[in-house]
Amino acid sequence: EIVLTQSPGTLSLSPGERATLSCRASQSVTSSYLAWYQQKPGQAPRLLIYGASSRATGIPDRFSGSGSGTDFTLSISRLEPEDFAVYYCQQYGSSPRTFGQGTKVEIK
Amino acid sequence: EVQLLESGGGLVQPGGSLRLSCAASVSTFSDYGMSWVRQAPGKGLEWVSGISASGGITSYADSVKGRFIISRDNSKNTVYLQMNSLRADDTAIYYCTTGYYYHFEFWGQGTLVTVSS
Repeated sequence: EIVLTQSPGTLSLSPGERATLSCRASQSVTSSYLAWYQQKPGQAPRLLIYGASSRATGIPDRFSGSGSGTDFTLSISRLEPEDFAVYYCQQYGSSPRTFGQGTKVEIK
Repeated sequence: EVQLLESGGGLVQPGGSLRLSCAASVSTFSDYGMSWVRQAPGKGLEWVSGISASGGITSYADSVKGRFIISRDNSKNTVYLQMNSLRADDTAIYYCTTGYYYHFEFWGQGTLVTVSS
């Protein structure tokens, strides 16, 4: 099983600042089958990034993903008020599919 | 866009069973692999089970293997999760989502399963 470790656990930032979230895999993720999801309280997760760097439909270009192998990053260039949420990475290249434990981006 | 509606959650005693359903509003349901993902109260996301578009291939997390069964009826645009021998640690919101061999693009709003005596 591929274990995904996200860091930091919590990121305290102000609107307008840049956010950088990390996701490290215990072994190489097949074909960069790595996705990022955003979840707000009381809501289902929303797909942001797939294939490590492709934005999902309707996702603003301030969200970007990068990385390969075992190290992946989600960047939010300028935080908007609606971006404060929990973010999860997930690999879907190997079974079982696994999620990271999440990074909470909170208002400083 | 695909809309997913889960149903079947509720309160069940330890050792009991429940069957969750997820109805999809899309004409090409048989093109989509499907998965169930759960979230225990205050916790992160856990993939539970997945099924290929045809239904011929299924997979399970170790935590539910031997107790849960995923299936689908493409004529009804519906995927199911039969949950048996339920335990307290199965308590969670269960989300239905498109995707199995690829990313999980569309998600339902979830159905709450509570296992308690």
